[in-house]
Amino acid sequence: AQSVAQPEDQVNVAEGNPLTVKCTYSVSGNPYLFWYVQYPNRGLQFLLKYITGDNLVKGSYGFEAEFNKSQTSFHLKKPSALVSDSALYFCAVREDYGQNFVFGPGTRLSVLP
Amino acid sequence: SQTIHQWPATLVQPVGSPLSLECTVEGTSNPNLYWYRQAAGRGLQLLFYSVGIGQISSEVPQNLSASRPQDRQFILSSKKLLLSDSGFYLCAWSLPGSTPDTQYFGPGTRLTVL
Repeated sequence: AQSVAQPEDQVNVAEGNPLTVKCTYSVSGNPYLFWYVQYPNRGLQFLLKYITGDNLVKGSYGFEAEFNKSQTSFHLKKPSALVSDSALYFCAVREDYGQNFVFGPGTRLSVLP
Repeated sequence: SQTIHQWPATLVQPVGSPLSLECTVEGTSNPNLYWYRQAAGRGLQLLFYSVGIGQISSEVPQNLSASRPQDRQFILSSKKLLLSDSGFYLCAWSLPGSTPDTQYFGPGTRLTVL
């Protein structure tokens, strides 16, 4: 069965500093990996996805994520954090032959001015 | 372009009352549709998904049910709400046949059961 872990409940970073939100996964087959962001009382917004190919995936709002097969990780990164990046971030995985997504528990990012 | 709507945005209901939440998608045909529940602003729990009209798969047995009366309409219902049904309900759609079929979420409905 597939699973996703986001080891940090909360990440705090100063505005202008680089940020990383961690995600590790477990699947039987090849993974499709996703990042979503959720602002308060809003639905999830799609940020980026990894299907195959280049391990570094670029997405919306300056975010990128690096797929690392040997470490089964897909960490979300941004070179310079903005206060407006403060939100709840979800990692999700789907196996290449599967139907449904499995979401991680979420990581709350706070960017401090 | 595709858009997804959910209503109502917020709902306060007494225990034991019925529930009907609606989700509609515009700009696409025969989407896969999903209902999730998010408790306490954290993880998402998949409740139901549908690959076509009248085709519903339940992921978690509970007092909720789902129906898909039209291609782009997905309804979440309950005959008698429980306190534990409180939460943030999210509808999502994806395009079947795309690889992988990215899920796109609606704005959500916040349900409070008192």
